Amino acid sequence: DGGITQSPKYLFRKEGQNVTLSCEQNLNHDAMYWYRQDPGQGLRLIYYSQIVNDFQKGDIAEGYSVSREKKESFPLTVTSAQKNPTAFYLCASSIVGGRENTIYFGEGSWLTVV
Amino acid sequence: DQQVKQNSPSLSVQEGRISILNCDYTNSMFDYFLWYKKYPAEGPTFLISISSIKDKNEDGRFTVFLNKSAKHLSLHIVPSQPGDSAVYFCAAKWSARQLTFGSGTQLTVLP
Repeated sequence: DGGITQSPKYLFRKEGQNVTLSCEQNLNHDAMYWYRQDPGQGLRLIYYSQIVNDFQKGDIAEGYSVSREKKESFPLTVTSAQKNPTAFYLCASSIVGGRENTIYFGEGSWLTVV
Repeated sequence: DQQVKQNSPSLSVQEGRISILNCDYTNSMFDYFLWYKKYPAEGPTFLISISSIKDKNEDGRFTVFLNKSAKHLSLHIVPSQPGDSAVYFCAAKWSARQLTFGSGTQLTVLP
């Protein structure tokens, strides 16, 4: 079954701690993305990667870091520098290029800072 | 600067009637538009899309209309069903650039 798997689904973090959210896809997509959703707001792009070992900052990259060592995996680290990390995080993937490619999303991860 | 705007945060419709969700955009370079549907605690799923060379695209109960001169698109759901209750996001892109999402509209279909 092809898809995008995010883990964990729910995560609690103490202030000052880093936490890493996992994202794995078996769709053979070259591009992967991390979005954040806050209540009443749209999806905001944190980071994206179009090829292994390369990634680009999105609109709200501050306080986050990513790596892309394998095509299938795009983990997101929420660092202690992120001022307001409590949110719903979505990983997505797509083919690269082409105007009409769509993005496919994982089920999301809830991060709560306690 | 919000390039894609969904000005109605919520919409309630009676079952069987038409639901119309609206989206405005400011970037005239956008040439491809998509609608996503999202249930609580789940990722968005792709619903329907339209290229800027068209003004209408239909898929079953869902139709998207594009008015380029007004920089406006809308999603029509006919007839609306309770299972359609979800948050609907419109998104836009140009060339191979990243999608820009609106803030979403919560649709509630009342039985």
